[in-house]
Amino acid sequence: DIQMTQSPSSLSASVGDRVTITCQASQDISNYLNWYQQKPGKAPKLLIYDASNLETGVPSRFSGSGSGTDFTFTISSLQPEDIATYYCQQYDNLPRWTFGQGTKVEIK
Amino acid sequence: EVQLVQSGAEVKKPGESLKISCKGSGYSFTSYWIGWVRQMPGKGLEWMGIIYPGDSDTRYSPSFQGQVTISADKSISTAYLQWSSLKASDTAMYYCATPYGDDAFDIWGQGTMVTVSS
Repeated sequence: DIQMTQSPSSLSASVGDRVTITCQASQDISNYLNWYQQKPGKAPKLLIYDASNLETGVPSRFSGSGSGTDFTFTISSLQPEDIATYYCQQYDNLPRWTFGQGTKVEIK
Repeated sequence: EVQLVQSGAEVKKPGESLKISCKGSGYSFTSYWIGWVRQMPGKGLEWMGIIYPGDSDTRYSPSFQGQVTISADKSISTAYLQWSSLKASDTAMYYCATPYGDDAFDIWGQGTMVTVSS
C-alpha cells in the first residue's frame, strides 16, 4: 500500500503569515492527491482536488501544488478562521484512498 | 441538495453488535461510491472501505478487512457499517462520504459517534 507522510504534525503561525504543509507519497501517484480541512467537531471539508484544483467556494488563499511523490499545500495569508487540522489524501489505486497523518494549524 | 445523513450516536458494551447507517439524497445513490472513515478520539482520519451501491462492489482497507462489514440497500438509498462484536478500541467517530464531483470526498455525512464501554 502507498504510504503518505505529512509534515509538520503541527504548526503555529501569526495571522497574515504564509503557511506551508507538505505531503510525500511512498511512490509516484501522479496528481492523485486531495487536501481537506477539518475544524473541531466538524466533518472534513474538501479544499483542493487533483493536487492543485480549488474546490468551488473555497477562498483563493488556499492552494496546492506538486506531482509524483511530493506535494505542497499553502495558505497564502493565514486567517483566524483557518484554525483547523489539514489532511492530504491519495487515490492512486481507485477505489482506495489513504489519508496523511494530519497537520494541526494554530494561531501564534 | 446532495447530502448524506447518518444515524445517531450509539453507546454499546464490548461484544455487542452494531449497524450504523448513512442515507443519501439529492443524487443518484446507485451511481456513486460511498466510503467510511474512522476518527478515533484526538486522532486522524482513517479510510476504512467503500461500496458501490449499484452492484454492491465493496473494497476494504487492509487495516479493516474482516473487522467490519460495509453494505448498502439501494431501495432506500442507505449504506451501512456494521460490527459483529464491538471492542473498546472501536470507540470513534465514523463518517460516511462520497466522491460525488470528482475522485475526492466532496460530500460528507455529519458523523456518528460510537462509544464502546463496559
